[in-house]
Amino acid sequence: EDKVVQSPLSLVVHEGDTVTLNCSYEVTNFRSLLWYKQEKKAPTFLFMLTSSGIEKKSGRLSSILDKKELFSILNITATQTGDSAVYLCAVEPPRNSGNTPLVFGKGTRLSVIA
Amino acid sequence: DAGVIQSPRHEVTEMGQEVTLRCKPISGHDYLFWYRQTMMRGLELLIYFNNNVPIDDSGMPEDRFSAKMPNASFSTLKIQPSEPRDSAVYFCASSLASAQETQYFGPGTRLLVL
Repeated sequence: EDKVVQSPLSLVVHEGDTVTLNCSYEVTNFRSLLWYKQEKKAPTFLFMLTSSGIEKKSGRLSSILDKKELFSILNITATQTGDSAVYLCAVEPPRNSGNTPLVFGKGTRLSVIA
Repeated sequence: DAGVIQSPRHEVTEMGQEVTLRCKPISGHDYLFWYRQTMMRGLELLIYFNNNVPIDDSGMPEDRFSAKMPNASFSTLKIQPSEPRDSAVYFCASSLASAQETQYFGPGTRLLVL
């Protein structure tokens, strides 16, 4: 079963719009949640979130985690065509899971048109 | 640092042929991961190694897939015999000291099996 679910699957917006990408997960007591951006090539790291309610920002991108409701959102303001990519969410399982690696969602494909 | 290096970048082969994908992790990283990515299934973990030892190969789809890591700076993923449904992008990633840290991805190998 899918433990990390991202929505929407795909999104098309105009330049300048603000978008919100969602990631919900079923992994309890997880250690962290990570966001990656994947353009044509490999995923690149964006954020690592460990604490609920604390927003992380990087330029026009920001992300926040809600451990109570088991979700995270990634916001992109004033979108640009260069933001077009697949955005992946991954969850780091709890310590007692052994050394299990990250569990990825299927991603949200964002297309920003001029 | 050159980052994670993968070769080849693209491969087109015929069904039944053997395919070997290669990966050089970031120097000093103890963990190496092989992922497969398709539109239908997203990013899937196939196998990962810690200090050259396979830790979890439960993601390897079937016996046609095998992976080795003969030393700290080299790993291979082999498919024999290949089938059209193996067509995907295969990523290698490495992390420094645990399976649950940020993973740095290589550029991927795009495989097409005809």
